[in-house]
Amino acid sequence: DIVMTQSPDSLAVSLGERATINCTSSQSVLSNSNNKNFLAWYQQKPGQPPKLLIYWASTRESGVPDRFSGSGSGTDFTLTISSLQAEDVAVYFCQQYYNNRGFTFGPGTKVDIK
Amino acid sequence: QVQLVQSGAEVKKPGSSVKVSCKTSGYTFSRFAITWVRQAPGQGLEWMGGMMPMFGTANYAQKFQGRGAISADESTSTAYLELSSLRSDDTAVYYCARVGPDIAALDSWGQGTLVTVSS
Repeated sequence: DIVMTQSPDSLAVSLGERATINCTSSQSVLSNSNNKNFLAWYQQKPGQPPKLLIYWASTRESGVPDRFSGSGSGTDFTLTISSLQAEDVAVYFCQQYYNNRGFTFGPGTKVDIK
Repeated sequence: QVQLVQSGAEVKKPGSSVKVSCKTSGYTFSRFAITWVRQAPGQGLEWMGGMMPMFGTANYAQKFQGRGAISADESTSTAYLELSSLRSDDTAVYYCARVGPDIAALDSWGQGTLVTVSS
């Protein structure tokens, strides 16, 4: 099974500053058939379900602010919040889907205001 | 708009079963896979399994094979998760989520159903 890891476990960033979260997959999630990475990012606030932010590693879901961006390929991925806002305080999860074996989530990264 | 509305909280005894429903609207139910994800208190997200209602067959994470059952009723656009032989460590919020079209990601989620297993 593919195992997802994230770093750091938590981080505190000043308002307006950049936040960077890393996600690593134990196997490549790059599809040979369509050259896309089966990697998504979610934001979860307390008491709420997760919200999809990014899919195909770098494509923003409709309505997601452009301060959120995703990058990476193969096994190493990054979620960047370019200018942290108060409403971005949340836990962020990465997720892979590959080879019809179902979904696997990273353990999550908690983002707070410094 | 796409909506997934789940059934209410449940309290169950160890060894019993629970069935959670997920009523969908705003899209063609049969054409999008539905998955179930759970989250134990203060923990991360765990994929349990899913199905494409059009095909009627479910696949499960190995951990839930034999104990979980996912089904769908196309006439009511509702998906179901049944989990049997409940243990205390099954206490969690259970979410249904739709797999977005061709994106291999979960683009719409239910509000979650808290299942508490306690003697």
